[in-house]
Amino acid sequence: GENVEQHPSTLSVQEGDSAVIKCTYSDSASNYFPWYKQELGKRPQLIIDIRSNVGEKKDQRIAVTLNKTAKHFSLHITETQPEDSAVYFCAARAAGNKLTFGGGTRVLVKP
Amino acid sequence: GAGVSQSPSNKVTEKGKDVELRCDPISGHTALYWYRQSLGQGLEFLIYFQGNSAPDKSGLPSDRFSAERTGGSVSTLTIQRTQQEDSAVYLCASSLAGGQIGELFFGEGSRLTVL
Repeated sequence: GENVEQHPSTLSVQEGDSAVIKCTYSDSASNYFPWYKQELGKRPQLIIDIRSNVGEKKDQRIAVTLNKTAKHFSLHITETQPEDSAVYFCAARAAGNKLTFGGGTRVLVKP
Repeated sequence: GAGVSQSPSNKVTEKGKDVELRCDPISGHTALYWYRQSLGQGLEFLIYFQGNSAPDKSGLPSDRFSAERTGGSVSTLTIQRTQQEDSAVYLCASSLAGGQIGELFFGEGSRLTVL
């Protein structure tokens, strides 16, 4: 089955700097790659997603890139703010619609 | 109009007891997932229901775990003879479509503590 690896597990950045989280997946048939943000004590919520026919997608300060050949995708957060502090999860969907998540990255934005 | 609803929000039980966790998905959502999140850990896939299709049970960790979905709506996750390692937050999520699945909407989770 699909295996999703996520790095780093923790990331501390200064407010205003950029944050980058990287994920790799194993199943070349995977075609949908969402990112979820989970604030402390709250439920995970979708922040951005990308499908396999697209190489990059942006939404304000957030961007995601996908390299299907290398089977990896990344989340980029620019001009980080304290409210960006949370745990971020990448995920990949393979055949059968099963969504497999990475282990998560705890991001701390220091003011 | 409410989101995904889970109950109970908290459950403390003794080792060896059975527990049932309930999930009410968003009305009209045909896909329903159960995930487990241990303290500070990632989201571990347990089981996935899509319409009337046979569920994907590939993530259930042992035969003590089972789940059903009645009438294509409410789902119950049952853990028999609970063990301390079952302690975690159990998250349910639903999604509108199966074929081109999109956003998962998560519930608040059921926090299970096995003493």
